[in-house]
Amino acid sequence: AQRVTQPEKLLSVFKGAPVELKCNYSYSGSPELFWYVQYSRQRLQLLLRHISRESIKGFTADLNKGETSFHLKKPFAQEEDSAMYYCALAYGGATNKLIFGTGTLLAVQP
Amino acid sequence: DGGITQSPKYLFRKEGQNVTLSCEQNLNHDAMYWYRQDPGQGLRLIYYSQIVNDFQKGDIAEGYSVSREKKESFPLTVTSAQKNPTAFYLCASTRNQGAGYGYTFGSGTRLTVV
Repeated sequence: AQRVTQPEKLLSVFKGAPVELKCNYSYSGSPELFWYVQYSRQRLQLLLRHISRESIKGFTADLNKGETSFHLKKPFAQEEDSAMYYCALAYGGATNKLIFGTGTLLAVQP
Repeated sequence: DGGITQSPKYLFRKEGQNVTLSCEQNLNHDAMYWYRQDPGQGLRLIYYSQIVNDFQKGDIAEGYSVSREKKESFPLTVTSAQKNPTAFYLCASTRNQGAGYGYTFGSGTRLTVV
């Protein structure tokens, strides 16, 4: 069965430090992976998707099929990056269903 | 201003009551989804619908029901059969063009059993 694992509930870093939010997945098919972010008092929103190979707000994520990982990285954290981050995996083909990890709270200290 | 609107923001339910959560979108998205969010458990899929008049059970459908009579609307009813309904409920939508498009989420409804 498909599964998404985010091993860290909380990641605390200082402003300017590098950030890596870990995400591992289990899926028998070809994975399509996403990162969603929820800032305080805002709705959950799409941050980036691996299929686009894009960089959003300085964040990048590379799909590593060998390690079944899709870690989210940013070289220099900013205080405004503080938020809850969810990794998600699309499954079920054309049904567009997503399975989410349990989330990691990123706290960037000044 | 396109988006998804969920109402109410807060809802209180007495034991044995059915309650309905509203979800409306004006994005012309074909597919809509209901998720339940509990602390430490991430989001779990309750029901989803890819076209009008059709919907499918997700992973935790027991005690819930939905309808999809209009493309814009996908209401969720939490029935008295749902043993632990207190949770945060999120509605989402997307185009039926492959999962790579991503979801748009509503702002959620927090349901509390009193």
